[in-house]
Amino acid sequence: SQQGEEDPQALSIQEGENATMNCSYKTSINNLQWYRQNSGRGLVHLILIRSNEREKHSGRLRVTLDTSKKSSSLLITASRAADTASYFCATGRGGSYIPTFGRGTSLIVHP
Amino acid sequence: KAGVTQTPRYLIKTRGQQVTLSCSPISGHRSVSWYQQTPGQGLQFLFEYFSETQRNKGNFPGRFSGRQFSNSRSEMNVSTLELGDSALYLCASSLGNEQFFGPGTRLTVL
Repeated sequence: SQQGEEDPQALSIQEGENATMNCSYKTSINNLQWYRQNSGRGLVHLILIRSNEREKHSGRLRVTLDTSKKSSSLLITASRAADTASYFCATGRGGSYIPTFGRGTSLIVHP
Repeated sequence: KAGVTQTPRYLIKTRGQQVTLSCSPISGHRSVSWYQQTPGQGLQFLFEYFSETQRNKGNFPGRFSGRQFSNSRSEMNVSTLELGDSALYLCASSLGNEQFFGPGTRLTVL
């Protein structure tokens, strides 16, 4: 079964708008990562946030982590058509660093 | 530094056949993981190899197997193919928590 679940499943926005996607998980984690996947291709690592961190930034990306609510959010500011992709969260637990992936959010940014 | 490479990129097989997929990790990465991605099940972890040893294993039948060579290159094998094995097979190499994925092999079973 999937550890992380992304919400919404699909998101459609206009270029320049912000995109927010959420990830919820069930058990305690050591870290949470966000990945991007362009259609039918490999995943690209975006950002890793550790369980003792609350917020991280990378360029136009902002990730938050709320361990009390077992949830994370990924915010993409000033979106571009090139941001069109599927976004996955992956949780790492305990001594294992094999991330467990959610089903992803499909983001479409219209030019 | 070259990224993770996977060969072949596309493969068409028929039921009952077997298939071998190859993955070359980033130079210096000793861990290689394999995933199966389908629209219905999402990304499912198959197994992970580290220094030629299987270190972690997902919940797949014994028809799915793998190995890793001394140069860290890895292969996965699927025997007695079923229609449900049609998927994108992704390989990832890692040095720590971050995984670097290859472009995948698209397997179609007819």
